[in-house]
Amino acid sequence: VQLQQWGTGLLKTSETLSLTCGVYGESFTSYYWTWIRQPPGGGLEWIGDINHLGSTSYNPSLKSRVTFSIDTSKNQFSLKLTSITAADTAVYYCARGRQQWILFDNWGQGTLVTASS
Amino acid sequence: DIQMTQSPSSLSASVGDRVNITCRASEDIASYLNWYQQKPGKAPGALIYGAFRLSSGVPSRFSGSGSGTDFTLTITSLQPEDFATYFCQQSYSRPRTFGQGTKVDLK
Repeated sequence: VQLQQWGTGLLKTSETLSLTCGVYGESFTSYYWTWIRQPPGGGLEWIGDINHLGSTSYNPSLKSRVTFSIDTSKNQFSLKLTSITAADTAVYYCARGRQQWILFDNWGQGTLVTASS
Repeated sequence: DIQMTQSPSSLSASVGDRVNITCRASEDIASYLNWYQQKPGKAPGALIYGAFRLSSGVPSRFSGSGSGTDFTLTITSLQPEDFATYFCQQSYSRPRTFGQGTKVDLK
């Protein structure tokens, strides 16, 4: 299985971040399709996940600004984060979460998103 | 949210050393603890799941132990490719949370 992600890397503050992750070589069922971010030099923050039925779970710290969507016909899932600030500058990863232990065992290559005024 | 605290934040070691990294959860998470390795400029890679289960393709020099609130990642004989940053992650409840990371570098 391969995850490949794309989207805009340089945004102005208050704009909307938009990223998409394509899943190749794997069915969409039975996994949690996840977004995780990592600020420069920092730790990992779970943004949330979506399953193949479109059921979502968001980190409460971002819930008011985040929306996930899924397109099972294209094997893609997407992230939108509104009203971004400098604090949202990070490398954003998509990842596959296995059921039961929720291990993130496959990751996208990461996209550096920079929010600048 | 469940807070995950790793120690140490960094350590220096030599090839062949035995290395232990600990991770403490702010509440009981049973065995819902995973470990990852990250190298500079790369996405994290899965090492251990369910506290002690080795992820596919991971060398046997890596092992995990613990349950409840206290966990340990052990590398029995450090190899050159093991110099990296290690993260723990709880999967007991949402939001999923990570430790702050432990950087292992060359002494």
